[in-house]
Amino acid sequence: DGGITQSPKYLFRKEGQNVTLSCEQNLNHDAMYWYRQDPGQGLRLIYYSQIVNDFQKGDIAEGYSVSREKKESFPLTVTSAQKNPTAFYLCASSTGRSLVEKLFFGSGTQLSVL
Amino acid sequence: QKEVEQDPGPLSVPEGAIVSLNCTYSNSAFQYFMWYRQYSRKGPELLMYTYSSGNKEDGRFTAQVDKSSKYISLFIRDSQPSDSATYLCAMSARTGANNLFFGTGTRLTVIP
Repeated sequence: DGGITQSPKYLFRKEGQNVTLSCEQNLNHDAMYWYRQDPGQGLRLIYYSQIVNDFQKGDIAEGYSVSREKKESFPLTVTSAQKNPTAFYLCASSTGRSLVEKLFFGSGTQLSVL
Repeated sequence: QKEVEQDPGPLSVPEGAIVSLNCTYSNSAFQYFMWYRQYSRKGPELLMYTYSSGNKEDGRFTAQVDKSSKYISLFIRDSQPSDSATYLCAMSARTGANNLFFGTGTRLTVIP
């Protein structure tokens, strides 16, 4: 079954700690994205990558970092510089070649601060 | 002013009702419009998309775009309990999923 796998489903961060959220896709998609979802706010783009070894900042990149060493994988690190990390994080992918891009989303990771 | 405004609801309707979900926007350059459905604690899935103005129908779902009023709608006919979810509108002025603006979502419950 093709799709996007995010892990873990729930994650807790201690103050001053960096945590990494995993995102793996087997859809053979070129483009991958990280969104943050907060209650009462629309999805906000953190980072995106259109090809391997290249990524761009989205609207709210501060306090986050990513890597794209493999086509299938796009991990997100929430650093200690992100002062309000509690949110639902969604990874998505798309072909990157369509006029109207269809985003395929993973099931999300809920990050909370201890 | 937010780029995209969407009434968060919640909206409760009886099974079989016609549901109308709406978004307004401020950027007249938006020309790609989408509706996503998100079940609780899951990722959104694309339901409908339209380019520019007009209507698009897919089964029980109809998407409408009125660019003159900067207003888009999603209609669900013969609503089912399985339609209970949060519906997100999204739109962009340019191609590319990195240019999307999302609404906050409307939570819908269809009561059997």
